[in-house]
Parts: sequence; C-alpha cells; structure tokens
Amino acid sequence: EAQVTQNPRYLITVTGKKLTVTCSQNMNHEYMSWYRQDPGLGLRQIYYSMNVEVTDKGDVPEGYKVSRKEKRNFPLILESPSPNQTSLYFCASSYGGDNYGYTFGSGTRLTVV
Amino acid sequence: DAKTTQPNSMESNEEEPVHLPCNHSTISGTDYIHWYRQLPSQGPEYVIHGLTSNVNNRMASLAIAEDRKSSTLILHRATLRDAAVYYCILRDQGGANNLFFGTGTRLTVIP
Repeated sequence: EAQVTQNPRYLITVTGKKLTVTCSQNMNHEYMSWYRQDPGLGLRQIYYSMNVEVTDKGDVPEGYKVSRKEKRNFPLILESPSPNQTSLYFCASSYGGDNYGYTFGSGTRLTVV
Repeated sequence: DAKTTQPNSMESNEEEPVHLPCNHSTISGTDYIHWYRQLPSQGPEYVIHGLTSNVNNRMASLAIAEDRKSSTLILHRATLRDAAVYYCILRDQGGANNLFFGTGTRLTVIP
C-alpha cells in the first residue's frame, strides 16, 4: 500500500531532550515536507526537500532540523525541544510539481513539558 | 501562493449532494486549484485538482468557473465519512513547494 509512515504517533518529552520523528514513504517521491498543525494557526510548513541532499526552510523552521540522505526518509529533528513546539506534526510526500497531489502521514502528536 | 476564501462551515444531509465553494479572485493563469480534506484525527488527504477544465475522480468532481475566479468541490452523495475540513489551495507552477491550507470549510453530514 502506498503510504507515508511517521513514528511515533504520540510522544511526550521534556524540555531540552533531543528527539527525532521519523518519516518514510514507499512511493519513490522526490518531494517531502514537514508541517505542524496548531489550533487557530492551521497547518504551517517547517521544512521541505526537493530530492536527496536538497532541503530548504519553510515558514516556521526555527528549532528544527531535517536531513534527506535517502529518497524514502525525511526525519525531523528537534535538538532542544521547548514547550512551544508542542504540536501535531505531519509529513507529506509528492512527485513534485503542481500537477500532483500530496500524500500525508497520520501525524505525530508531540508534547514537550 | 494566491489567497482563497471559503465558508467556515456547511451542513449536508446524508446521501445528498454537497457543493463546497471556493473563491480565488486573484488566481493567476498558472495556478492549479487543489482540494484536500482532513478527517478528525487524521492527516490531510488529497481529493482532486484542476487547472481550467472540470475534473472528476472517484472521490469528487471539481467545477471551475470560466474566469477561474471561483471553483466548487462537488461530493455527489455525502456520507458520514465525508465529515471533514475541506481546504481549497492554489498552487503556482514553479512556485514554492508549500501548501497554504487556510482555515477551510468544516462539513457536517447529518444522518
């Protein structure tokens, strides 16, 4: 089944403890992206990647890192999480270009205390 | 990406057609019109997209006005499973790869 898989689904952590949220897609998509969703603010893009070793900042990149060493994986790294990073995170992938739809993962609900 | 305007909420009876409107008066000639929906506790789901002509797929139909300043997502027979927030998004060819979701339309389906 074609899908974007995120792990974990739920995570509670403490301020300052580094964490990684994994994202993997099995559709050979070039493009991958991370979004966060907050009440009243909607979905906002954090980082995106056009292909392997090519990443760029989205609208809200502060406090996050990403890497794209393989086409299928696009992990989101929080080096020193803070409570304002408590949010619902979604990974998405696509063939790229505007004539293709995006496939989203099921989400990771992160709580930083 | 150009801005879209959608009603905050709509209701529909189950098994009746639903027409979800979207205004995009500042659309440019190269913008694709995309629709996504987000069911409760799930990630956004691609529904349909088009450029100028009306489009149909297994989920829905997209009717695009001749001047392209508005479009309508049509669900032919609403089911309870269609209750979701529906987002109308404009994508610019060659533009930044970002989906600007806005606030969308919350569709309630009444049994």
